[in-house]
Amino acid sequence: KNEVEQSPQNLTAQEGEFITINCSYSVGISALHWLQQHPGGGIVSLFMLSSGKKKHGRLIATINIQEKHSSLHITASHPRDSAVYICAVKEGAQKLVFGQGTRLTINP
Amino acid sequence: KAGVTQTPRYLIKTRGQQVTLSCSPISGHRSVSWYQQTPGQGLQFLFEYFSETQRNKGNFPGRFSGRQFSNSRSEMNVSTLELGDSALYLCATTDRPGYGYTFGSGTRLTVV
Repeated sequence: KNEVEQSPQNLTAQEGEFITINCSYSVGISALHWLQQHPGGGIVSLFMLSSGKKKHGRLIATINIQEKHSSLHITASHPRDSAVYICAVKEGAQKLVFGQGTRLTINP
Repeated sequence: KAGVTQTPRYLIKTRGQQVTLSCSPISGHRSVSWYQQTPGQGLQFLFEYFSETQRNKGNFPGRFSGRQFSNSRSEMNVSTLELGDSALYLCATTDRPGYGYTFGSGTRLTVV
């Protein structure tokens, strides 16, 4: 079993829909990161969470430490949100461990 | 503020050769970490450097090595290249290890 599991692996939605991507992890962590990767490879760090909830524009990230679960939400989705979203966790001072990613496609 | 610069962007090498990749961090960022991304394995951690010291190392063979210079620039080296080393190699920098990362655009290495 992978330390970090994301669901779904692929998600296709229509423009305007509310999107949820889930991340579950099996170890105690010091922080969880959400990353966005566009075609061509460039990665952008969206959020770093250790507790609670963060919001940036149309993106919202939440984490439940007791349940070892995090969600990334996108409100009013847009075709430019199409990308791979990757969850990564850091256990103390240890290395980052990544989920396999969720490929999101938003159709106009 | 300049971003994280990785050079070269693309590289083609032959099996058995060695390669050196470079990562220049954002000014003030002293932590540099390296990652390998392949379609089959996804993103995997290679190493992390802070103030010229290796803090963490991933589960890669000794053919993969790295270093960090006093100006925080980092290099990674892969010796005796294998076909399976073909991947996108990404570096990420931060002013404090474990905090928000800024990624470079990556070096796409193809081993033939």
